Amino acid sequence: NAGVTQTPKFQVLKTGQSMTLQCAQDMNHEYMSWYRQDPGMGLRLIHYSVGAGITDQGEVPNGYNVSRSTTEDFPLRLLSAAPSQTSVYFCASSYRGATYGYTFGSGTRLTVV
Amino acid sequence: TQLLEQSPQFLSIQEGENLTVYCNSSSVFSSLQWYRQEPGEGPVLLVTVVTGGEVKKLKRLTFQFGDARKDSSLHITAAQPGDTGLYLCSQVTNAGKSTFGDGTTLTVKP
Repeated sequence: NAGVTQTPKFQVLKTGQSMTLQCAQDMNHEYMSWYRQDPGMGLRLIHYSVGAGITDQGEVPNGYNVSRSTTEDFPLRLLSAAPSQTSVYFCASSYRGATYGYTFGSGTRLTVV
Repeated sequence: TQLLEQSPQFLSIQEGENLTVYCNSSSVFSSLQWYRQEPGEGPVLLVTVVTGGEVKKLKRLTFQFGDARKDSSLHITAAQPGDTGLYLCSQVTNAGKSTFGDGTTLTVKP
C-alpha cells in the first residue's frame, strides 16, 4: 500500500536553479494538490488538479508550474529557485475533491541557498 | 479571505490529563477535517465532519462540529505520549477548496 509517494525527501538548491518535485499515487484518486508548509503559516495550496489534463492555481502559485498527464502523477516544477521557496512541500490526493479529506505524502524538505 | 483559527497554539500536559483544542472559522463551511502530523511526516486524516452538531469518536478522541458550522473542537481523554503531534483542522468551502489552520502543537509528557 504505497499511497502517495514523494521524491526526493530532501533537496538543496542554489538560487536560480530549477528542479522537479515528484508525486505519484496508486489509489486512482482524481484530485491531487501541492501544499507548502512554513512555520507559523500552516499549509498553503500551491496548485491542484481535478483530473488528468486539468490544473488550476491555488493560494501561492507564483514560481511554480504543474502538469497532469496521467491520473497517477502530479509533478511540481520550480522554475528558478529563490530562498523564499525554502519550505516543506506536501503532495496530497483524494478520490473526489476535498470534502472528505486528503491522503498526504511524507513531504520534500527543500532548502534554497 | 476565509480565516481558520486554531487555539491554543501550543499545549503541554502530563500523561493522563484531558484536553480540548479548538478550530474557529470566519465563515460557514461545508465540511471540516482534523489531521494529526508527526515530525518529518505528512498530515494523517483523523476525521471528517459534515453535519452541524455532529459528534464523532475515535477511541479517546472526540470531535464536535458546531451547530452553526463555523467551529469545531477536538477533545482527548487521558492523553498519552503517543498523542504528541501537530493537530491541524481544515475547512472545505462550498467552492470545494480547503483551507488549513496553523495547528495546535501538543506535547504529552510521560
